[in-house]
Amino acid sequence: DAGVIQSPRHEVTEMGQEVTLRCKPISGHNSLFWYRQTMMRGLELLIYFNNNVPIDDSGMPEDRFSAKMPNASFSTLKIQPSEPRDSAVYFCASSLKGGGTGGYTFGSGTRLTVV
Amino acid sequence: AQSVSQHNHHVILSEAASLELGCNYSYGGTVNLFWYVQYPGQHLQLLLKYFSGDPLVKGIKGFEAEFIKSKFSFNLRKPSVQWSDTAEYFCAVNGGNNNDMRFGAGTRLTVKP
Repeated sequence: DAGVIQSPRHEVTEMGQEVTLRCKPISGHNSLFWYRQTMMRGLELLIYFNNNVPIDDSGMPEDRFSAKMPNASFSTLKIQPSEPRDSAVYFCASSLKGGGTGGYTFGSGTRLTVV
Repeated sequence: AQSVSQHNHHVILSEAASLELGCNYSYGGTVNLFWYVQYPGQHLQLLLKYFSGDPLVKGIKGFEAEFIKSKFSFNLRKPSVQWSDTAEYFCAVNGGNNNDMRFGAGTRLTVKP
């Protein structure tokens, strides 16, 4: 298995532009998580899905952030419009639902820089 | 709600020194506990996990952690660190059948050669 695949690895964009981050979870995993990592705040859970359904989006910072999971093998995190304070590394992770004992598998992350 | 506290923000050790990183959690029920490692510029990787049984858990690369229920702690240890252990270490918890994992703020470990 190729693991959790995120794209792009790096994204530099101008303030006000729309940004879309992509994630392909591990095949067979039915839970997917989006995290944001910054020096100031550490790792923050933004949203997670079970069986493609959003379960908890209380970590999404603002309405500018939205996430979708149209099928079991793909999810997107969109920021529109982007702001410099959104600069961070965004990680996607997947796991088996109810398999909290197994832990998560993380993707390599997308480093977002908004200028 | 579950939460995780890591007391050490930055630890600096010389090679061959012993390591112990503190982790305390707050959750009233059954918990699953994890330690993840993030090497510079890389993603998080699972070091070890505890969900039941022997409270002393052994992970990869010579790391181990001990679950002490009475202290709500899950400290990470390694008898002799190497320069290659330089990384950030995250403690994480999820409760029972909950699927969302909460991470501590992380501890940055620097090992001097």
